[in-house]
Amino acid sequence: KAGVTQTPRYLIKTRGQQVTLSCSPISGHRSVSWYQQTPGQGLQFLFEYFSETQRNKGNFPGRFSGRQFSNSRSEMNVSTLELGDSALYLCASSPGQQPNTEAFFGQGTRLTVV
Amino acid sequence: GQSLEQPSEVTAVEGAIVQINCTYQTSGFYGLSWYQQHDGGAPTFLSYNALDGLEETGRFSSFLSRSDSYGYLLLQELQMKDSASYFCAVRDQDGGFKTIFGAGTRLFVKA
Repeated sequence: KAGVTQTPRYLIKTRGQQVTLSCSPISGHRSVSWYQQTPGQGLQFLFEYFSETQRNKGNFPGRFSGRQFSNSRSEMNVSTLELGDSALYLCASSPGQQPNTEAFFGQGTRLTVV
Repeated sequence: GQSLEQPSEVTAVEGAIVQINCTYQTSGFYGLSWYQQHDGGAPTFLSYNALDGLEETGRFSSFLSRSDSYGYLLLQELQMKDSASYFCAVRDQDGGFKTIFGAGTRLFVKA
């Protein structure tokens, strides 16, 4: 069974540009969550999607958006990039919303804004 | 709001036992999980506690006290490969389901 796939793995963008990151969850998983990870800040919650519906959104500006498709694949978009957006963006998938469900993480997309 | 507190760093000797504490504050609580992340790697699930008490999985155990909003991860017979970051996470339902992570505890295992 393939794991969670995030593309691209690495990305360099210029301030003011926009970026789209992709996440393909494990087959059969309907829940996808996105996190931003920076040194010393842990994993900051961005969004959670379940069956194409955004279930919750973290405390990030409106420049951060996302969506989930009918095949459970998810994308997140960051517009008008700022230097502070440089981070590792992690996607996690799980079968559903049950709290005891293990979340499986992808390797992440390392975004550098210059 | 939601917040989780855990120590930033812990150092222990190979073969020893180490405990990583986590205190949390959430609007709704649906369980405490622990994840391990090696440098350059993805977080991987270690354990989950929904009810008070101790859950044991091999060398790792996790404890929860809901009345104290407190939990810990216990690592026994430490090995060098246990050097990693450990995150506690709570499943919350404030405005919809979400899993919130702590800032992580960096564990250094010395020979």
